[in-house]
Amino acid sequence: NFMLTQPHSVSESPGKTVTISCTRSSGSIASNYVQWYQQRPGSSPTTVMYEDKQRPSGVPDRFSGSIDSSSNSASLTVSGLKTEDEADYYCQSYDTSNVVFGGGTKLTVL
Amino acid sequence: QLQLQESGPGLVKPSETLSLTCTVSGGSISSRSHSWGWIRQSPGKGLEWIGSIYYSGSTYYNPSLKSRVTISIDTSKNQFSLRLSSVTAADTAVYYCARGFRCDYWGQGTLVTVSS
Repeated sequence: NFMLTQPHSVSESPGKTVTISCTRSSGSIASNYVQWYQQRPGSSPTTVMYEDKQRPSGVPDRFSGSIDSSSNSASLTVSGLKTEDEADYYCQSYDTSNVVFGGGTKLTVL
Repeated sequence: QLQLQESGPGLVKPSETLSLTCTVSGGSISSRSHSWGWIRQSPGKGLEWIGSIYYSGSTYYNPSLKSRVTISIDTSKNQFSLRLSSVTAADTAVYYCARGFRCDYWGQGTLVTVSS
């Protein structure tokens, strides 16, 4: 099985842009789709990105996703940061028989 | 709108078996397109996939929990269930049910505490 590694925390000011990385330990990042979830305190996770770069309806276009095969990582970029974006973010990927979550990144908007 | 709701005891004694049920409404659990899964989150920690099941009964488990986990499905009740045996304090967590390996719909979660 592979692992997904995320930074423990990131912080940025309102209006700025932040990128959260998710590095796959083995196997190609491109071999299985990556999802991103936002979790606010006391709430269930919600999807902000699926299939690497697809945004669910209702998620603002300030959120974007990408993968980079050279670094074997996926990224979630949030532009025009708002205080409401402050939350924990988890990347996730799956294959035919296994689901793996990253350890989560706490985004602070200060 | 698809909804998932977890139910079950909030307190389980050490060495006993944790049992939870997820009731699906607003859609059929018999869909061939999706699996149904359980994820947990220990207090202050990240998300951990426990396992998933298809309507056919095919199951997939996290290797680290496989020896203690059983997931089953009841299509007549539109429910699927989790059993985790020989629990310890380390199994204290919020348990979520979710649709698919992509986890596009989640339940609200239920806190299960393992304590005597």
